[in-house]
Amino acid sequence: QSALTQPASVSGSPGQSITISCTGTSSDVGNYNLVSWYQQHPGKAPKLMIYEVTERPSGVSNRFSGSKSGNTASLTISGLQAEDEAHYYCCSYAGGTTVVFGGGTKLTVL
Amino acid sequence: QVQLQESGPGLVKPSQILSLTCTVSGGSISSGDYYWTWIRQPPGKGLEWIGYIRYSGSTFHNPSLKSRVTISIDTSKNQFSLTLSSVTAADTAVYYCARGNGYDDFDIWGQGTMVTVSS
Repeated sequence: QSALTQPASVSGSPGQSITISCTGTSSDVGNYNLVSWYQQHPGKAPKLMIYEVTERPSGVSNRFSGSKSGNTASLTISGLQAEDEAHYYCCSYAGGTTVVFGGGTKLTVL
Repeated sequence: QVQLQESGPGLVKPSQILSLTCTVSGGSISSGDYYWTWIRQPPGKGLEWIGYIRYSGSTFHNPSLKSRVTISIDTSKNQFSLTLSSVTAADTAVYYCARGNGYDDFDIWGQGTMVTVSS
């Protein structure tokens, strides 16, 4: 299984909205509503931000939202804050018993 | 609340076996239908799913790791473990254990443990 494709970096100013894309195939992202997103600060373990494409775990800000269209999933962060600066990874079920991650996107808050 | 903690050697020689254990505290590894998962992250790179085990013992791993991976569970100790054989420098990474609510939905993570493969 190949890794899902994410942009290497995105940036935005405080208060703005940004969207990170995650492109897979009809065998993973396009075929299952099992896409999750993780936030990782330097030296820390990843944190679950979105699961099942659009669901937000308890305690995660409603500034984070997820969506999917065809083979591409997206994470949108609205009202950017300095603390949102981190790496973000998407993840998808890929059929059978396989799970695949994206390569990661570094978000810079200007 | 449930917490996970990885443990094991930080240095492994090439061609040898990497062995790590994840201890689950604050809850029983046998309760709920969770996917007890191993994920790794090479230095400066992205995340790679290694595999998971369920309390029933059913286990699955990343096909790219072929037959080098074994994941086991010890419900009496509330632990699950990873062994990776014939390691090379490419296996150098931070290894995380995580609890999965489903295949891809990892809601609790350990802090991670760095394993270096070097002679």
